[in-house]
Amino acid sequence: QVHLVQSGGEVKKPGASVTVSCKSSGYRFSDYSIAWVRQAPGQGLEWMGWIRTYNGNRNYAQNFRDRVTMTTEISTSTAFLELRSLRSDDTAVYYCARKPPNWDDIFVDFWGQGTLVSVSS
Amino acid sequence: QSVLTQPPSVSGAPGQRVTISCTGTSSNIGAGNDVHWYQQLPGTAPKLLIYDNDNRPSGVPDRFSGSKSGTSASLAITGLQAEDEADYYCQSYDKSLSGSTFGGGTKLTVL
Repeated sequence: QVHLVQSGGEVKKPGASVTVSCKSSGYRFSDYSIAWVRQAPGQGLEWMGWIRTYNGNRNYAQNFRDRVTMTTEISTSTAFLELRSLRSDDTAVYYCARKPPNWDDIFVDFWGQGTLVSVSS
Repeated sequence: QSVLTQPPSVSGAPGQRVTISCTGTSSNIGAGNDVHWYQQLPGTAPKLLIYDNDNRPSGVPDRFSGSKSGTSASLAITGLQAEDEADYYCQSYDKSLSGSTFGGGTKLTVL
């Protein structure tokens, strides 16, 4: 069965960077893309972008284009999300999710458990 | 402010049918882009409920159905059950954003 397991919660100060990892199992990692979605406390879902695991092609949401980097490590079936210049409004649960490989398919079918990133001075 | 508009809340009694709307524009749903729906139970990660407007992933009961027309889409839930109480989100591609976007979410309360 498909599983995505994310790294543990983080507490960061404003201006710092955070990296969240997401390890996949139960399917061939390179056959799918990985998307990242975040959810601020009590708020809705926000799409951050996605990365094609087999070639590293990325599509970042406009809101994050200058602060985010998504990478993957095929040998360990792990995806990474780096967010820089953190602000208090970056406090959220960050989810990774499996996305079909086709560029036009934007839905995600399996989700990680989420990683809480808290930004506070 | 989401470019996909959902009602903040809907409610229904057990056994009833409820619908949740997702209203977009010519930049997203109206441009022919597919709509997808997710269910998020309290304290858990979202779960894919409907993809490509009206397709159910394996394991999703047929009480859940999706439809799309013009610039809007709808999620219908029949035979409402207590465990359906959750937040529901629609998703589509938006040309002006050059990417995916979610609706603001709808909280379903089972009375």
